[in-house]
Amino acid sequence: GNSVTQMEGPVTLSEEAFLTINCTYTATGYPSLFWYVQYPGEGLQLLLKATKADDKGSNKGFEATYRKETTSFHLEKGSVQVSDSAVYFCALHAYSGNTPLVFGKGTRLSVIA
Amino acid sequence: DADVTQTPRNRITKTGKRIMLECSQTKGHDRMYWYRQDPGLGLRLIYYSFDVKDINKGEISDGYSVSRQAQAKFSLSLESAIPNQTALYFCATSDLVRGSSYNEQFFGPGTRLTVL
Repeated sequence: GNSVTQMEGPVTLSEEAFLTINCTYTATGYPSLFWYVQYPGEGLQLLLKATKADDKGSNKGFEATYRKETTSFHLEKGSVQVSDSAVYFCALHAYSGNTPLVFGKGTRLSVIA
Repeated sequence: DADVTQTPRNRITKTGKRIMLECSQTKGHDRMYWYRQDPGLGLRLIYYSFDVKDINKGEISDGYSVSRQAQAKFSLSLESAIPNQTALYFCATSDLVRGSSYNEQFFGPGTRLTVL
């Protein structure tokens, strides 16, 4: 079946540090890949997406590249801020008509000043 | 106004009580979902509905039921609440994009449910 595995947290970084959150997936066909972010006390919101191999999604200084050969979609940011503290979820949508998104378990990021 | 609303936002109840969580959306989406979030377990899908006449079980449907009253409304019920149903519950919606693998979901703010 389809699944997403992301690195366990929590991750604690100092402000301006480099961030990587690993995400790998298992899916049949060619899924779309997503990163969602959940800020404290809020629901999830889409951070970025990629719909085909080698696509790079980017938003708010975050980037992730769809790597079909390694089945990965790692999230990166060059210089994190305290306001980036949140839970990050990797997700996939396997294109087979009627299937919901499949989410990873989430990675909590804390950025300290 | 928020596109996806959930009521109540917080609820404390006792074991054995019947509870209904409601979700409404103004996005005009056909697809709606209920998830629960527990620390360390991420999001788990309870039920989903691709249109008013379509209801599907998710990963953890036991102990829950749903009702899709209209395109814009999707309710989750706990017929007899138990303490391990204490969690944060999210409703989400998405549009059907035919011929596409793109399926962004839009989430409500969540309902924090505590079962004593």
